[in-house]
Amino acid sequence: EVQLVQSGAEVKKPGESLKISCQGSGYIFSTYWIAWVRQMPGKGLEWMGIVHPGDSEIRYTTSFEGRVTFSADKSISTAYLQWSSLKASDTAVYYCARFSRGSSLDYWGQGTLVTVSS
Amino acid sequence: QSALTQPASVSGSPGESITISCTGTSNDVGGYEYVSWYQQHPGKAPKLMIHDVKSRPSEISSRFSGSKSGNTASLMISDLQAEDEADYYCSSKRGRDVVFGGGTKLTVL
Repeated sequence: EVQLVQSGAEVKKPGESLKISCQGSGYIFSTYWIAWVRQMPGKGLEWMGIVHPGDSEIRYTTSFEGRVTFSADKSISTAYLQWSSLKASDTAVYYCARFSRGSSLDYWGQGTLVTVSS
Repeated sequence: QSALTQPASVSGSPGESITISCTGTSNDVGGYEYVSWYQQHPGKAPKLMIHDVKSRPSEISSRFSGSKSGNTASLMISDLQAEDEADYYCSSKRGRDVVFGGGTKLTVL
């Protein structure tokens, strides 16, 4: 069974750094891109970009380039999303998902709620 | 980058059929056969319902179907059931990116 399990909720202050994780199982993790999707409170889904665990190739969408960093460690089947300096506007649920053929997201993590507040 | 355009809300009674539209441009919906639809219940992760415009994952009910004409894709849900009440999002490939629609809240009356 394919599963993506994300790290738990985080509460941070503005300016702090953060790294959240997404561990895959039930498939060959290094052969599928992992996508990151943001959902701000009460809002819709936003595409952030993708990372390939096999070769660490990364594609950020314009809106998020320079604001977040993707990475992956194929040896432990885990992808990461990190911030160096959080802002209140980063408060959201962040989902990882397996990026399948045809640009669809066929399996999703449960989401990680990130709250940034002073 | 602007999202794909979806109606904010649609509604229908149990047993009826509804359609949710998703309008883009020739740079996304109209240019690729790569439209997907997702269902999201409150507090839950999205779930893939349709991919490649009209293909259904094996576990998804045949009551859900997808189509596309020009720059507009559509999700049809037939024989509406209470558990279909959720938010629905479309997405499309756009160059090296993917773009989502703004989402549609489906209410089952």
